[in-house]
Amino acid sequence: DAGITQSPRHKVTETGTPVTLRCHQTENHRYMYWYRQDPGHGLRLIHYSYGVKDTDKGEVSDGYSVSRSKTEDFLLTLESATSSQTSVYFCAIGLARNEQFFGPGTRLTVL
Amino acid sequence: AQTVTQSQPEMSVQEAETVTLSCTYDTSESDYYLFWYKQPPSRQMILVIRQEAYKQQNATENRFSVNFQKAAKSFSLKISDSQLGDAAMYFCAYRSARDDKIIFGKGTRLHILP
Repeated sequence: DAGITQSPRHKVTETGTPVTLRCHQTENHRYMYWYRQDPGHGLRLIHYSYGVKDTDKGEVSDGYSVSRSKTEDFLLTLESATSSQTSVYFCAIGLARNEQFFGPGTRLTVL
Repeated sequence: AQTVTQSQPEMSVQEAETVTLSCTYDTSESDYYLFWYKQPPSRQMILVIRQEAYKQQNATENRFSVNFQKAAKSFSLKISDSQLGDAAMYFCAYRSARDDKIIFGKGTRLHILP
């Protein structure tokens, strides 16, 4: 089974502060994704990566940046958090058969 | 742009009965993949079933099966012999064969009545 962890699992922060969420995989999967989940919107893609230092924007990328300096880690950064970024954030890895396997999620609250 | 629509925000079914969740999608492509994901209260996203567009045969996984109507761009999920553990949010999802991204519907919350 693919191993994927997210840290932190819960975070409360204040508007204007920087926040970094980490996604870590234990296997050498090339593709990694960051989604946010909000009521009434399902999951929406923020950014994704198709290799070390190779990233691209998703549907809702404004206000977010990502970095991937190692295959196993994919970081999502909110440079200056806003209340509209309160959400549950999911990381996923791309598997064979065009499937994605999801991490456990991070609940972020921006006050 | 491709879109995925789940028209039923919530549904309920009696335990042991059968329920069908609807999903339609919009695409101009002929080669793609469709998925149903389950999200129980634990929040973990779990792949339930997948369907390749080039396959005419509907996918089946134990009590879960799909009705894939390519011409109608419809991809419904049937759950037979519903169990309490099936209570969850269900997401329909689409992926083009030419792309690395999955597009999700907004979800259907399924309640199982004992």
